[in-house]
Amino acid sequence: DVKVTQSSRYLVKRTGEKVFLECVQDMDHENMFWYRQDPGLGLRLIYFSYDVKMKEKGDIPEGYSVSREKKERFSLILESASTNQTSMYLCASSLMREQYFGPGTRLTVT
Amino acid sequence: DAKTTQPPSMDCAEGRAANLPCNHSTISGNEYVYWYRQIHSQGPQYIIHGLKNNETNEMASLIITEDRKSSTLILPHATLRDTAVYYCIEDNNNDMRFGAGTRLTVKP
Repeated sequence: DVKVTQSSRYLVKRTGEKVFLECVQDMDHENMFWYRQDPGLGLRLIYFSYDVKMKEKGDIPEGYSVSREKKERFSLILESASTNQTSMYLCASSLMREQYFGPGTRLTVT
Repeated sequence: DAKTTQPPSMDCAEGRAANLPCNHSTISGNEYVYWYRQIHSQGPQYIIHGLKNNETNEMASLIITEDRKSSTLILPHATLRDTAVYYCIEDNNNDMRFGAGTRLTVKP
């Protein structure tokens, strides 16, 4: 089975802190994705990557950056966390089309 | 923004078939229809996808209309564990847009 793991299930950070959310997949997938999920807004795509060192902006990249130094790892970075970035963050990977999601990280910024 | 339209909620009796509709009237010829579901506090789970033909796997069946403007996901014998939010998505080269989905509640 494909396994996508995220570094934390719950995270609390202060406004202005730099935050790293890590995602690792074990199936040698080319494609990896970061979403955030908020009540009433569904899942929104932040960034995705088709290969190592490649990244593409999704619908809501502002305030975020990403890093893909190794194929299995895709990191989401909040350079200076703000309260409006309090959300559930979901990572996914895919080889062809179907995406496999991690369990999510619930980030609270105070 | 999501390009599909789904009812916000549905109920289904345990053991009966759950039929979840989706409208995707702007779908283009090379876009697949994907279905995912999300059980509370978990990440979305892939269910099934199709292009033109009806599809079936161990989880569900997907019926796509001939004009491809709508589809129906069928869970043939719903169980309480099928209670979840179900998302219908048009996918063109991994460019997926999740909408609000349908919250399916399976009742005993």
